[in-house]
Amino acid sequence: GENVEQHPSTLSVQEGDSAVIKCTYSDSASNYFPWYKQELGKRPQLIIDIRSNVGEKKDQRIAVTLNKTAKHFSLHITETQPEDSAVYFCAASMNNYGQNFVFGPGTRLSVLP
Amino acid sequence: GAGVSQSPSNKVTEKGKDVELRCDPISGHTALYWYRQSLGQGLEFLIYFQGNSAPDKSGLPSDRFSAERTGGSVSTLTIQRTQQEDSAVYLCASGREAYNEQFFGPGTRLTVL
Repeated sequence: GENVEQHPSTLSVQEGDSAVIKCTYSDSASNYFPWYKQELGKRPQLIIDIRSNVGEKKDQRIAVTLNKTAKHFSLHITETQPEDSAVYFCAASMNNYGQNFVFGPGTRLSVLP
Repeated sequence: GAGVSQSPSNKVTEKGKDVELRCDPISGHTALYWYRQSLGQGLEFLIYFQGNSAPDKSGLPSDRFSAERTGGSVSTLTIQRTQQEDSAVYLCASGREAYNEQFFGPGTRLTVL
């Protein structure tokens, strides 16, 4: 089955700097890669996702890149703000009927003011 | 519209007792997932329902865990003979069949004494 690894497990950056979180997956059939943000004590929420027919997707300060050959994808946050502090989870899934998601272990991002 | 709801929000039980956790997905969502999240940990997949198909139970940790989804809507996760290691937040999420975004509920915090 699918295995998703995520690095780093914790990341601290100064406000205004960029943050990058990387994930690798094992199943080459996976074709959908979402990122979820979970603030302390709250539920996970989707912040951005990418499908395998696209190499990069951007939404304001957040971008995701995908390298299908190498089977890795990354989350990029620019101009970080204190409210970006949270745990970020990547996931891999097949966009087919009956396939579940496999989440990475998470990255705890702290943005220092 | 209304999001995913879960009840109870908190449950404290004694070791050996059975518990039932409820999930009300977003209306019209055919996909429903259960996850377990221990303190400071990632999302552990438990079970996945998609429409009328047989559920994917591959994540259930033992035969003490079971789940049902009645009428393609409400789901109940049952844990029999609870153990202290079952203590965690149990998250439910739902999604549309044609799309992959998962919408999470607020979770049920289970504490087994």
